[in-house]
Amino acid sequence: DAKTTQPNSMESNEEEPVHLPCNHSTISGTDYIHWYRQLPSQGPEYVIHGLTSNVNNRMASLAIAEDRKSSTLILHRATLRDAAVYYCILRDDYLISSGSARQLTFGSGTQLTVLP
Amino acid sequence: EAQVTQNPRYLITVTGKKLTVTCSQNMNHEYMSWYRQDPGLGLRQIYYSMNVEVTDKGDVPEGYKVSRKEKRNFPLILESPSPNQTSLYFCASSETWGAKNIQYFGAGTRLSVL
Repeated sequence: DAKTTQPNSMESNEEEPVHLPCNHSTISGTDYIHWYRQLPSQGPEYVIHGLTSNVNNRMASLAIAEDRKSSTLILHRATLRDAAVYYCILRDDYLISSGSARQLTFGSGTQLTVLP
Repeated sequence: EAQVTQNPRYLITVTGKKLTVTCSQNMNHEYMSWYRQDPGLGLRQIYYSMNVEVTDKGDVPEGYKVSRKEKRNFPLILESPSPNQTSLYFCASSETWGAKNIQYFGAGTRLSVL
């Protein structure tokens, strides 16, 4: 899978929006952009994913740059419960069908701290 | 409620004493996998299974065995645990292994091998 780059850490104030960036300059046309998060002492949790268009769900929004070389996860109103490590992951059906990359490749992610 | 259930959540054992960590999902998912998480190394895949009786190695399979006799269960077996297998283990499942599929993770099993 193509590589992603995220800041190691970010801080946000409670009830303010948070924009978590992810760079993926080597993304291929068939790579899906996935976001997962891991709260303290819990397993990773799916947040959102998209291919080309911006996506919204009950947890967050995903804004994808027009050239797809970067994306931003948007938490509209951060709460203390949103403090977690956020992972940006690319997944490619071509690689998966060819026998490789049958897993989520987690990088180091972004540690989000939410201040009360 | 859709969930992936791992047991036990915590386990302390001694070197060489065989153990099994169970994983069960109630979503009729075809794909299941095991990861371990270590400080500074992140999450690494141990084994995965694309369906019943179909399993394959991930990045760090040494010292582990798995089986997939039923769709819902994917146990992780440590035949002779060693201290370097002390780690946090997660089981995951998804409908299939496609790039669009969402993976669901269990709450984790924290294993200490003395």
